Amino acid sequence: QQQVKQSPQSLIVQKGGISIINCAYENTAFDYFPWYQQFPGKGPALLIAIRPDVSEKKEGRFTISFNKSAKQFSLHIMDSQPGDSATYFCAASSNAGKSTFGDGTTLTVKP
Amino acid sequence: GAVVSQHPSRVICKSGTSVKIECRSLDFQATTMFWYRQFPKQSLMLMATSNEGSKATYEQGVEKDKFLINHASLTLSTLTVTSAHPEDSSFYICSARSWEGEKLFFGSGTQLSVL
Repeated sequence: QQQVKQSPQSLIVQKGGISIINCAYENTAFDYFPWYQQFPGKGPALLIAIRPDVSEKKEGRFTISFNKSAKQFSLHIMDSQPGDSATYFCAASSNAGKSTFGDGTTLTVKP
Repeated sequence: GAVVSQHPSRVICKSGTSVKIECRSLDFQATTMFWYRQFPKQSLMLMATSNEGSKATYEQGVEKDKFLINHASLTLSTLTVTSAHPEDSSFYICSARSWEGEKLFFGSGTQLSVL
């Protein structure tokens, strides 16, 4: 049973556009929702994270929107750049336990 | 940010040999470390969770005698793939969490190729 569903599987955006990746979760005990960025041949790196007590968190060009009632959260990348081209994973965990990862979204930003 | 060093980054070995992968937290004490396996274009698959000084907890379907995990100190965990076979070829990644919170810091991964 997949507890975190991520979409789309792949995304192509023009430079300067907005990239939006969505995740939905099932376990209401989850209390920490991070997004990770992974480049080929490298390990994931924490991009931004949110807790369910806020509906939005912004760090630079990256914003997480969180909808607790719908059990959904999304990553928005404003002014997308070719250097943002990578695979993005959402995740969820509870009580600092092990994380459940989404299947990943491959983002390509065209110049 | 916190740094997790993983070595080697790439290893090629013959079938039947054992390979050890190291994961070190360089500037923080990692109370918990995780080991993952990742196939091309797929998500991270958790293999096991290790806490310093105790036995690792393996996920269902992961052979603990095949993938030996040791977390001897607060800054070092090792994964040994014993008697490696071609089907063990994969990208292995570690992550570490400090006692301070939920943030996970990942190593740069190890690409294992078994001939």
